[in-house]
Amino acid sequence: GQQLNQSPQSMFIQEGEDVSMNCTSSSIFNTWLWYKQDPGEGPVLLIALYKAGELTSNGRLTAQFGITRKDSFLNISASIPSDVGIYFCAGQLAASKLTFGTGTRLQVTL
Amino acid sequence: SQTIHQWPATLVQPVGSPLSLECTVEGTSNPNLYWYRQAAGRGLQLLFYSVGIGQISSEVPQNLSASRPQDRQFILSSKKLLLSDSGFYLCAWSVGQHNQPQHFGDGTRLSIL
Repeated sequence: GQQLNQSPQSMFIQEGEDVSMNCTSSSIFNTWLWYKQDPGEGPVLLIALYKAGELTSNGRLTAQFGITRKDSFLNISASIPSDVGIYFCAGQLAASKLTFGTGTRLQVTL
Repeated sequence: SQTIHQWPATLVQPVGSPLSLECTVEGTSNPNLYWYRQAAGRGLQLLFYSVGIGQISSEVPQNLSASRPQDRQFILSSKKLLLSDSGFYLCAWSVGQHNQPQHFGDGTRLSIL
């Protein structure tokens, strides 16, 4: 099935650094979601975006819904070790279906 | 608050054996329910979704089936497992008919030998 292009695929950063990742699609979505998945667990919702151009924050996380409705980015400020994990974007057009990105694996070194 | 439970957490099955994975949601009524499969290091692929009891939509042709015998229960089954059925299976729920976020269970790791 279709997957969204997410970049970077993986990143190693030092604690305290800011992180930026993005997600692009060839088609538009009505909703963009960002999830974090720890090993052996299900994805946990971080941020939901419902409107083109919307910028939303959740603590140290900030995400934006691209104005073209074909992209979204997620920023993490002042990263900490527990930010380690895989981050997935997901686009939603119809009420029942999410299309997931390929994931960004984040590793934080002390 | 709403919670979602999946079991078992891990399962090792021989090729050709049957499968039954269960998912239940608590704290909400008439949820939309979903089954996903995740290959190692990849994103999630939607397998089935259900908007009500007995209503199942299949997204990809495959060796699996789904059933929703009760409002908050979603079951993933197979009569005869294949090696390619190995993976991490995730159940999710959402509410409403509009674009409400989906929330995931902790998954079942299925290994086929």
